[in-house]
Amino acid sequence: GQQLNQSPQSMFIQEGEDVSMNCTSSSIFNTWLWYKQDPGEGPVLLIALYKAGELTSNGRLTAQFGITRKDSFLNISASIPSDVGIYFCAGLNYGGSQGNLIFGKGTKLSVKP
Amino acid sequence: NAGVTQTPKFRILKIGQSMTLQCAQDMNHNYMYWYRQDPGMGLKLIYYSVGAGITDKGEVPNGYNVSRSTTEDFPLRLELAAPSQTSVYFCASSYSYRKYNEQFFGPGTRLTVL
Repeated sequence: GQQLNQSPQSMFIQEGEDVSMNCTSSSIFNTWLWYKQDPGEGPVLLIALYKAGELTSNGRLTAQFGITRKDSFLNISASIPSDVGIYFCAGLNYGGSQGNLIFGKGTKLSVKP
Repeated sequence: NAGVTQTPKFRILKIGQSMTLQCAQDMNHNYMYWYRQDPGMGLKLIYYSVGAGITDKGEVPNGYNVSRSTTEDFPLRLELAAPSQTSVYFCASSYSYRKYNEQFFGPGTRLTVL
């Protein structure tokens, strides 16, 4: 089946630093979503991308839909302690009868005050 | 709106026992999903539903059953619990199924099978 490679697996950064993470796939996706999961909670949608090349921001978060449609990037600027959590990418290829999200394994972010 | 709610939050089962994980949403979404999340892994789709009375298998359906008698509820049934079903289970719903499949997740049920 389709797989997403999400990297890095984990990050340890100082408060105030910028963060970059990405997801790549061997298949083309039509939609990319980025979620954040806090400990003991369900994932919360951060940003949705629908078009190749699209760049979308949500506060300090910026995500891009790769031009090849096989990758996506999430950047967090000026990190703060509440950014701690696991960030997941999810891709959707809704060709044919399939319309289900494929999730990456997540990037665990730790922020040192 | 409460969004997506799940009960129970935690449960310990013995091997061979059965249980139902409850999921409800109040956003009038037609599409609902069940995922499991194992440590260090992403979310794996178990079953999904595109409307009341319509369900279909996801990537990892073995050992589970679902039903969808109303738009609001989508329970997940484990008939004969096995240690391999120890996981965190998430229910999700979405307004759209294809391109704009922005899924909203519940808080999860943490299940341990001993």
